[in-house]
Amino acid sequence: DGGITQSPKYLFRKEGQNVTLSCEQNLNHDAMYWYRQDPGQGLRLIYYSQIVNDFQKGDIAEGYSVSREKKESFPLTVTSAQKNPTAFYLCASSEQGALGTGELFFGEGSRLTVL
Amino acid sequence: AQSVTQLDSQVPVFEEAPVELRCNYSSSVSVYLFWYVQYPNQGLQLLLKYLSGSTLVESINGFEAEFNKSQTSFHLRKPSVHISDTAEYFCAVSETSGTYKYIFGTGTRLKVLA
Repeated sequence: DGGITQSPKYLFRKEGQNVTLSCEQNLNHDAMYWYRQDPGQGLRLIYYSQIVNDFQKGDIAEGYSVSREKKESFPLTVTSAQKNPTAFYLCASSEQGALGTGELFFGEGSRLTVL
Repeated sequence: AQSVTQLDSQVPVFEEAPVELRCNYSSSVSVYLFWYVQYPNQGLQLLLKYLSGSTLVESINGFEAEFNKSQTSFHLRKPSVHISDTAEYFCAVSETSGTYKYIFGTGTRLKVLA
């Protein structure tokens, strides 16, 4: 089945540690996204990538980093510089042929808790 | 800049009653409009979308939304809800010019009561 796989689903980390969230898609989509979801705030864009080896900052990129070395993979690193990293993180992808008219396909999410 | 407003954070409704979840947007350019649904601890799934053409769009599970350009609204409606419709619903927009960015509302939590 085609889709987006995020791992791990739940992650605990101590303050000061970096952590990497995995996102893999087999939909052959060019564009991939990382969103952060907090209660009552909706989804906020962290980073997005339109094509391999290229990515842009979203609205809340500080304290996060990404890479896009392969079309199917878009890992997100939450660094120790992120002041409030406890949140639900969602990865998504979309086709780019329609230039933004297509739907976003989401993974199941990763819930990060900083202890 | 674009923005999306979902005024109702929570909407309780009895089973088999009608429901309307409101969505208003602000944009200086033309946009595409979407409704997504999220069940607990899961990702979002597309419910329906408006790209062009008929302003009334429908989903396979009985939801519908109407694009109203003059009121910049895209309200979601269902004439009779089921317990299984309990979820969080997000309205979203993206520019038609293809900036690859989607703006989401803060979500409305629909709770269907027996």
